[in-house]
Amino acid sequence: QLQLQESGPGLVKPSETLSLTCTVSGGSISSSSYYWGWIRQPPGKGLEWIGSIYYSGSTYYNPSLKSRVTISVDTSKNQFSLKLSSVTAADTAVYYCARHRNTLDYWGQGTLVTVSS
Amino acid sequence: AIQLTQSPSSLSASVGDRVTITCRASQGISSALAWYQQKPGKAPKLLIYDASSLESGVPSRFSGSGSGTDFTLTISSLQPEDFATYYCQQFNSYPHKGWTFGQGTKVEIK
Repeated sequence: QLQLQESGPGLVKPSETLSLTCTVSGGSISSSSYYWGWIRQPPGKGLEWIGSIYYSGSTYYNPSLKSRVTISVDTSKNQFSLKLSSVTAADTAVYYCARHRNTLDYWGQGTLVTVSS
Repeated sequence: AIQLTQSPSSLSASVGDRVTITCRASQGISSALAWYQQKPGKAPKLLIYDASSLESGVPSRFSGSGSGTDFTLTISSLQPEDFATYYCQQFNSYPHKGWTFGQGTKVEIK
């Protein structure tokens, strides 16, 4: 059974960079035809796609966040990572990692990241 | 960017009720639509893909229909475990422009 687990700091200061890692177990991140993505959900609000990466390294970002987002993959560790720079309070959210093709079929449990000084 | 508008934003219903949630796209997306269920503190769960295909393991009381710009999620007989928030998602512009989600519909107990 495929499992995804987010990890990283739960508190980030304004203007700093948010960094999260998603570790995939029970399957290979190098599986062809699957993408690996990040989605976030501010408290009490809806879902927002941040971006995705293919195992080969091809990346796709939400245009509204593109200037601040970097997603990378480490196939040797079966992990992929998110960096979001210049964060503000508006970036406070639960961050999910997920596997997808056109739909998201496996999700991590989510991790709350709070942006506050 | 393609916008998705769900209605209603929330509804109250009783166990056994038939529930219908709609999702309207700002432009035609063929059948490139999925539905998810999210319970408090949990990740969303895929229910329906390609507008009307039931994900493996999802009860048959859930069904989806529609194409183009108008879509519907129907729960034929609401069960206690179905009280949750439901989101539609379009993937017409995947992968280069990713996807967008509707704003969600919260189904509450009457």
